[in-house]
Amino acid sequence: KAGVTQTPRYLIKTRGQQVTLSCSPISGHRSVSWYQQTPGQGLQFLFEYFSETQRNKGNFPGRFSGRQFSNSRSEMNVSTLELGDSALYLCASSLVGQIQGNTIYFGEGSWLTVV
Amino acid sequence: KQEVTQIPAALSVPEGENLVLNCSFTDSAIYNLQWFRQDPGKGLTSLLLIQSSQREQTSGRLNASLDKSSGRSTLYIAASQPGDSATYLCAVPYGGSQGNLIFGKGTKLSVKP
Repeated sequence: KAGVTQTPRYLIKTRGQQVTLSCSPISGHRSVSWYQQTPGQGLQFLFEYFSETQRNKGNFPGRFSGRQFSNSRSEMNVSTLELGDSALYLCASSLVGQIQGNTIYFGEGSWLTVV
Repeated sequence: KQEVTQIPAALSVPEGENLVLNCSFTDSAIYNLQWFRQDPGKGLTSLLLIQSSQREQTSGRLNASLDKSSGRSTLYIAASQPGDSATYLCAVPYGGSQGNLIFGKGTKLSVKP
């Protein structure tokens, strides 16, 4: 079966701009989680969506937002980009949730560079 | 607050060695623990998922154990191969039924031919 698809894979943005990243989960999976990965902080949780509802949110400023559509595809948006937002953004897909004891599948990630 | 620590941060071994990667967590009230592998510039691949009622899980040359009472998990890799070179991360859930995963910072493994 098709894996988790994230687009775009690489992008470069300028400070102050906004960016939208997309994630298509595995067919049948209703939970989509987003993580930011940086060399210094490691993997940090952004938010989780389940059946179009935000189930949980990490400690990120309001510039970070997301949504999930009826087909379970998810997008995350970062407005007013800062240099510190440069990171690998990872999307994770699972049947019922990231902590519910089911296997989690990650996409290849979207590499964001802010200049 | 849940904190996950992985020691060592990096490990280099010759091909064929058996090795152990360590993961410790501060809050033992976990539902499960997962081990992941991450290749450079790539996403994470789930290796093993251990439920809180289990003590270990095996997949091929990999064996993961879980000791909740001591807040520790180990990932044992038998007969290591150069293809095992990657960063290995462990993750535990935190925050109740609507919580999230807390990841360690990983152990970067290099297996030399």
